[in-house]
Amino acid sequence: DAKTTQPPSMDCAEGRAANLPCNHSTISGNEYVYWYRQIHSQGPQYIIHGLKNNETNEMASLIITEDRKSSTLILPHATLRDTAVYYCIAPLTGTASKLTFGTGTRLQVTL
Amino acid sequence: DSGVTQTPKHLITATGQRVTLRCSPRSGDLSVYWYQQSLDQGLQFLIQYYNGEERAKGNILERFSAQQFPDLHSELNLSSLELGDSALYFCASSRQGGASPLHFGNGTRLTVT
Repeated sequence: DAKTTQPPSMDCAEGRAANLPCNHSTISGNEYVYWYRQIHSQGPQYIIHGLKNNETNEMASLIITEDRKSSTLILPHATLRDTAVYYCIAPLTGTASKLTFGTGTRLQVTL
Repeated sequence: DSGVTQTPKHLITATGQRVTLRCSPRSGDLSVYWYQQSLDQGLQFLIQYYNGEERAKGNILERFSAQQFPDLHSELNLSSLELGDSALYFCASSRQGGASPLHFGNGTRLTVT
């Protein structure tokens, strides 16, 4: 897997956009970037993934830099329910199964 | 709701015992994965099955085994349990291997006393 680096924690006011950065400078050309989150002790929840282009779904947007060395997950209007640990993962191509979850970013959404 | 069902939600047992955790994948998903999450460690990949066949293995102990049945549900068997096996065990499923994202169940919390 490409090594990923995330800040250990971030705060965000409810209703504001939460921008969570991830550095994956060793990523190779065929490695996707995946984002998951884990709320308390629930199962990790898939959010979004991308290869080169920016992606958007009902939960979030993923912005990947042109050189693919970093990405940003954007929650456009954070709510208290978005408080969770967010994981950025870049597994080896074809090995999405062996996702290596690091320590992630603990996002605290506050009133 | 991810569509992945795990039972039981909680399990309390004694050292030396054997337990079976069960997982039903999302409809249409052929791959099933098992992960362990201990308090002092992150999520650790244990094993993957694809359409009944073992596909990938992680840091799974020899005391642990798994299988995937023809109806695609999976079971994780943990034997000769030790205190250190206390953890959350998550099952995930995906359409196939490769780039398909994983969808996780809400886990089984195992407590070994």
